Amino acid sequence: DTAVSQTPKYLVTQMGNDKSIKCEQNLGHDTMYWYKQDSKKFLKIMFSYNNKELIINETVPNRFSPKSPDKAHLNLHINSLELGDSAVYFCASSHGTGENSPLHFGNGTRLTVT
Amino acid sequence: QKEVEQDPGPLSVPEGAIVSLNCTYSNSAFQYFMWYRQYSRKGPELLMYTYSSGNKEDGRFTAQVDKSSKYISLFIRDSQPSDSATYLCATVYNFNKFYFGSGTKLNVKP
Repeated sequence: DTAVSQTPKYLVTQMGNDKSIKCEQNLGHDTMYWYKQDSKKFLKIMFSYNNKELIINETVPNRFSPKSPDKAHLNLHINSLELGDSAVYFCASSHGTGENSPLHFGNGTRLTVT
Repeated sequence: QKEVEQDPGPLSVPEGAIVSLNCTYSNSAFQYFMWYRQYSRKGPELLMYTYSSGNKEDGRFTAQVDKSSKYISLFIRDSQPSDSATYLCATVYNFNKFYFGSGTKLNVKP
């Protein structure tokens, strides 16, 4: 009965490769997010989708492309991986688009680029 | 200046101690504040969610917001080893823009 689930949990790959991370939520939320957490635990927003529409796109290299096939799924595809992409990527969801709706996170995908 | 600033710690306390975790924020327009707990290799888990000023209590946890000084606090009473984790404060503004502190690592020693 996992609320926000993302796969894979661990991803080890070489520079230059392309990889995808998948996320699904069963909370009935209509807004989903990708966050990047660096080694100092700082969480930074990358993208947000509301009902399959992109609403937040922070300064992220265009090697990162999110895709939301429906409001319960938000995937992240990364092209031409670089060493600096190594981090933990968290998917999250919330209900609605206003402030009165805290985030619910998945357990993260630990990406290591060698 | 970051939207939310948090002392990274680490903070080490004996079991049973009262723990105080603190953050400051920059924009007086922020009204919703959250505390998340993150265990090692897990996602952040929502602990407390407050609106505007005042206190909110849930079991051993109390969240406090002081809008006059732009200060938010989380108090943990009777701390337990299972409380050992990283605690993240957060706020949200302007259409789903969530801002997080960098987290305070807490260690409760048995």
